[in-house]
Amino acid sequence: AQSVTQPDIHITVSEGASLELRCNYSYGATPYLFWYVQSPGQGLQLLLKYFSGDTLVQGIKGFEAEFKRSQSSFNLRKPSVHWSDAAEYFCAVGAGTGNNRKLIWGLGTSLAVNP
Amino acid sequence: EAGVTQFPSHSVIEKGQTVTLRCDPISGHDNLYWYRRVMGKEIKFLLHFVKESKQDESGMPNNRFLAERTGGTYSTLKVQPAELEDSGVYFCASSQGLAETQYFGPGTRLLVL
Repeated sequence: AQSVTQPDIHITVSEGASLELRCNYSYGATPYLFWYVQSPGQGLQLLLKYFSGDTLVQGIKGFEAEFKRSQSSFNLRKPSVHWSDAAEYFCAVGAGTGNNRKLIWGLGTSLAVNP
Repeated sequence: EAGVTQFPSHSVIEKGQTVTLRCDPISGHDNLYWYRRVMGKEIKFLLHFVKESKQDESGMPNNRFLAERTGGTYSTLKVQPAELEDSGVYFCASSQGLAETQYFGPGTRLLVL
């Protein structure tokens, strides 16, 4: 069955520290992969996506993610975290074929940033 | 360009009542999706419209949920009668093409008491 696992429910980092949020997926075909962020009181905003090509993907707000097929992973990274990065982060895989492209989601990782 | 909008932002109703959620997609987006997040659980797909047609409604929980997309523009999701377990955040998203990025609205927070 198609699934997405985000092993870390909650992470706390200090401002300026590096960040890596883990995401593993289970999907039979070549996946479309996404990271979304939800800040407090806001909707879901796309950070970055992988459809094909270069496995290192750059996104907004200084985030990047690397697709590793051998590990079925799509981890999100940022070299230096800012206080405004405190939010909930969701990894998702675009599932389906033909006219169906629903997203399958992980549970999310809540990020807290200490000053 | 306006993003995806949802109305209302919050709704508190009693068990047994009816609630209708509305989603206005980005203009020109044929694909419209509904998702729901119940507290403590992952976001789950409910259904997918292509223009006015239901492409996939495999995620709809039961027949108390009715979704429509009149004229292929805005969509409504009606819950009738509402139950306690329907509480959660209902997200709407739209995309231009099938394999394109889905853009999300701010969500409607539904609380059924």
